[in-house]
Amino acid sequence: GAVVSQHPSRVICKSGTSVKIECRSLDFQATTMFWYRQFPKQSLMLMATSNEGSKATYEQGVEKDKFLINHASLTLSTLTVTSAHPEDSSFYICSALDNLSYEQYFGPGTRLTVT
Amino acid sequence: QKEVEQDPGPLSVPEGAIVSLNCTYSNSAFQYFMWYRQYSRKGPELLMYTYSSGNKEDGRFTAQVDKSSKYISLFIRDSQPSDSATYLCAMSESYNQGGKLIFGQGTELSVKP
Repeated sequence: GAVVSQHPSRVICKSGTSVKIECRSLDFQATTMFWYRQFPKQSLMLMATSNEGSKATYEQGVEKDKFLINHASLTLSTLTVTSAHPEDSSFYICSALDNLSYEQYFGPGTRLTVT
Repeated sequence: QKEVEQDPGPLSVPEGAIVSLNCTYSNSAFQYFMWYRQYSRKGPELLMYTYSSGNKEDGRFTAQVDKSSKYISLFIRDSQPSDSATYLCAMSESYNQGGKLIFGQGTELSVKP
């Protein structure tokens, strides 16, 4: 089956630093990728839609200058959390939309802890 | 009011029981309904999807949609300890997974041996 990887799986950083999370589709091409965040025992909330070669579309209330998204190839999207604060601590999950099947596959998630 | 409401549980059942998981929604434009399973600290995995009102069966799983009542259900027959996970419903206004997915809160299920 289609596989989406995320790296790192877990990261701890200090307040004020930036963290980059990678999302890769391993065996399919994805023009569109999605970034979600999930707080404990909460739903997945869509943060932004990432399209290869163009600017990401952010959901209402998500700061585009704080959560930088780059989708430079058909298999890789990155999310950079800039000037991270403790309230940014969360589980970040990406998904990739297979160009052929139009099915959305989720990555395993990245646990970010900001101290 | 949230667009999608789901009882967070937790729900604990004995092995072999029939499990019923439910979501209600308020947006009548939703056309595509999905159920995901999420194990602890993992990403969601798609279990089933359906477009129309009615039932759809896949092995031990049955998805049911009632658009008139804005209510969807997932039934698990002969539940197993390996079914222990969080189950999330998701919906979209698109007729496929390419659009924005709105998730329920997730129901935590525990199947006891």
